[in-house]
Amino acid sequence: AQKVTQAQTEISVVEKEDVTLDCVYETRDTTYYLFWYKQPPSGELVFLIRRNSFDEQNEISGRYSWNFQKSTSSFNFTITASQVVDSAVYFCAVAGGNNRLAFGKGNQVVVIP
Amino acid sequence: DVKVTQSSRYLVKRTGEKVFLECVQDMDHENMFWYRQDPGLGLRLIYFSYDVKMKEKGDIPEGYSVSREKKERFSLILESASTNQTSMYLCASSQQGRGLGGYTFGSGTRLTVV
Repeated sequence: AQKVTQAQTEISVVEKEDVTLDCVYETRDTTYYLFWYKQPPSGELVFLIRRNSFDEQNEISGRYSWNFQKSTSSFNFTITASQVVDSAVYFCAVAGGNNRLAFGKGNQVVVIP
Repeated sequence: DVKVTQSSRYLVKRTGEKVFLECVQDMDHENMFWYRQDPGLGLRLIYFSYDVKMKEKGDIPEGYSVSREKKERFSLILESASTNQTSMYLCASSQQGRGLGGYTFGSGTRLTVV
């Protein structure tokens, strides 16, 4: 079974600061996918990124960046120059061979103007 | 635009009622899932289905059942609603295979059992 740990519960930052969300995952599968989702106050889960276990290349997409390190089973997410619209709950998730998507408990990010 | 549609955004039901939560997807996805979301607990998998008429228990199936008579529709059933089933319920679908195409979520149904 897969498991995801997001240690921080609520993170508050002042606008324009950077914020990094930590994610540690567990899986016995050799092939798996990692995800980050954003859930704004409206409630809908918004897909941000998917990475497979064979692709450790880190990525930057606008103000978002991801750091995947297989050796430490971590898949961290950074928002650069945060904005008020970034206030949301962010979920890390992992899916293995059984297609079941296992979520962490989420990080509530509050960006203070 | 591809979609997962949940029939109700908000529902209020009485204890002991039989409750149906409906989910429809238009992407011809094989896999469908029901999660519940509670503060501090994240999303927990209730049931999932890999094919029509097929279902498997997730992590918290007690008190729930599901039905998948057609590929596009996956229903979550609360046989006798209880107050501890007050929660946000999210439906999702995905293509067969290991996360191929990712998972698409509905907007959620906020159920209150009184």
